[in-house]
Amino acid sequence: DIQMTQSPSSLSASVGDRVTITCQASQDISNYLNWYQQKPGKAPKLLIYDASNLETGVPSRFSGSGSGTDFTFTISSLQPEDIATYYCQQYDNLHYTFGQGTKLEIK
Amino acid sequence: QVQLQESGPGLVKPSETLSLTCAVSGYSISSGYYWGWIRQPPGKGLEWIGSIYHSGSTYYNPSLKSRVTISVDTSKNQFSLKLSSVTAADTAVYYCAGLEGATTFDYWGQGTLVTVSS
Repeated sequence: DIQMTQSPSSLSASVGDRVTITCQASQDISNYLNWYQQKPGKAPKLLIYDASNLETGVPSRFSGSGSGTDFTFTISSLQPEDIATYYCQQYDNLHYTFGQGTKLEIK
Repeated sequence: QVQLQESGPGLVKPSETLSLTCAVSGYSISSGYYWGWIRQPPGKGLEWIGSIYHSGSTYYNPSLKSRVTISVDTSKNQFSLKLSSVTAADTAVYYCAGLEGATTFDYWGQGTLVTVSS
């Protein structure tokens, strides 16, 4: 099974800061990497698919990059409503694995 | 607009079988898509349990495969999860989800908390 290592596990930043989260796969997954946002008590919401494509309706301050084994998720200017936990998720032959999550807080 | 709604018992006894159903509205399951179950223990991360295609083909997390059965009922436009021999470690919020293209979880139910306790 493909394992996903996501870091950091938690992050504190100020409004307006640039925030970066990384995800590393245990083997090459091409660009089959997605990013989700989960707010407390809610289901996750897809933000980025195929490593770098912004889901319809998602603000452009969110972006993703990477391929192979190393991926990055960025919020260019942190907003108060971005407080949530973020997860990466890989897809491999109809099997899926999530990263451990990054809890983002406002400083 | 595709909507999903989980239903089932909120409390299951240890060693028994957890059974949940996901009702789909706004889309006919028999038309396509993959459908899946994901769980999240309290305060922890997300774990994919398994998925099913509308034809009935199933795909399971290897760590749970021996205890999981996912089935689809196209006549009722719903799919179901059964997890046998549950323990306290199976206590979690269980989400059902829909995958348009088999790579992303595009649609999610609101989640339902299942507690395993005697």
